[in-house]
Amino acid sequence: GAVVSQHPSRVICKSGTSVKIECRSLDFQATTMFWYRQFPKQSLMLMATSNEGSKATYEQGVEKDKFLINHASLTLSTLTVTSAHPEDSSFYICSASGTDTDTQYFGPGTRLTVL
Amino acid sequence: DQQVKQNSPSLSVQEGRISILNCDYTNSMFDYFLWYKKYPAEGPTFLISISSIKDKNEDGRFTVFLNKSAKHLSLHIVPSQPGDSAVYFCAASVTSSGSRLTFGEGTQLTVNP
Repeated sequence: GAVVSQHPSRVICKSGTSVKIECRSLDFQATTMFWYRQFPKQSLMLMATSNEGSKATYEQGVEKDKFLINHASLTLSTLTVTSAHPEDSSFYICSASGTDTDTQYFGPGTRLTVL
Repeated sequence: DQQVKQNSPSLSVQEGRISILNCDYTNSMFDYFLWYKKYPAEGPTFLISISSIKDKNEDGRFTVFLNKSAKHLSLHIVPSQPGDSAVYFCAASVTSSGSRLTFGEGTQLTVNP
């Protein structure tokens, strides 16, 4: 149980375009979903927390207009990187937690490369 | 301000021996701690957790110890296996904050056959 999927696993895009990443909880209802990014050889940095049906809470320094998060259902959250630039290239990982546990279960991650 | 620190970036052990990964934290409000294992280009996999009301939690080969007075936790893996080679992250949260996790920097464990 507690499987979280992400799509796509890898995406390459041109500078200035927007990219949408999906995060799904496959076998449980995720009341809260989290989005992280990880640069090489660094820890996971929380970008934002989203609860189903409400606006995401962004961490300090994360531009909410650049990283659009939608958590429209208990099994799906999306992260849209708008007007992507090469410095947005990173590994983006989502996680989800349900109503009966504080444990976060992570998706496999999405490698974004902006040319 | 790094509230969760893993001071050893890497650890190498022999197969069959014990691996001990350490983690320190500074925020006394943390009351829930987790260990995750991560392979390159994959998301972290949950291993084991411990609540601050306990000082030990065991699951198979994995045991987590919590010393609240020292603000220190450790993960013991015994016996270590080559498949355990990965980056291990410790994470901490304040449960009343809605599961928001703070991660350490990670420790690369290499288990040699």
